[in-house]
Amino acid sequence: DIQLTQSPSTLSASVGDRVTITCRASQSISYWLAWYQQKPGKAPKPLIYKASSLESGVPSRFSGSGSGTEFTLTISSLQPDDFATYYCQQFKSYWTFGQGTKVEMK
Amino acid sequence: EVQLVESGGDLVQPGRSLRLSCAASGFSFNDYAMHWVRQIPGKGLEWVSGISRNSGSITYADSVKGRFTMSRDNAKNSLYLQMNRLRAEDTALYYCAKEYDSSIPYFEYWGQGTLVTVSS
Repeated sequence: DIQLTQSPSTLSASVGDRVTITCRASQSISYWLAWYQQKPGKAPKPLIYKASSLESGVPSRFSGSGSGTEFTLTISSLQPDDFATYYCQQFKSYWTFGQGTKVEMK
Repeated sequence: EVQLVESGGDLVQPGRSLRLSCAASGFSFNDYAMHWVRQIPGKGLEWVSGISRNSGSITYADSVKGRFTMSRDNAKNSLYLQMNRLRAEDTALYYCAKEYDSSIPYFEYWGQGTLVTVSS
């Protein structure tokens, strides 16, 4: 099974900050990775697929990069609507999620 | 507009069974693989099961293999999850999700979830 490890688990940031979340896979998954945003009481919403492709309608301040075993999600300038929990997901071999990164207000 | 509406969640005793449903609309249901994902309240996401568009391939997480059965009825635009021999650790919010497509199988759309509580 492919395991995904996200870091950090919690991130405290302010509006306007540049935020980076890392996701590491236990084995190479090429670029078969997605990122989701989840707010309390809501379903996850896809942001990025194939490591760096932006989902339609997602603001351009979100970007993804990486391949193989190390990936990052970057928010270039954090907005009030971005405080949420973020999950990575691999879909190279079945489907696995990272444990999540909560972005909270500093 | 794509809509996925789950139902069937309930409070059930350990060892009993429950059947979840997901009604799909707004897209050609028989053209897409579908999945169930669960989330323990306040915790992370766990993929549970996936089914190909013609039911020819059905896969399960190890944690539910042999106890859960996923199926679909393309004529009714519906997805199902039969959950048998339920355990306390199956307590979670269960989401159905639509795959983007078979070549890029991430989860493009999600329902709002249905809550399953397993407790005596």
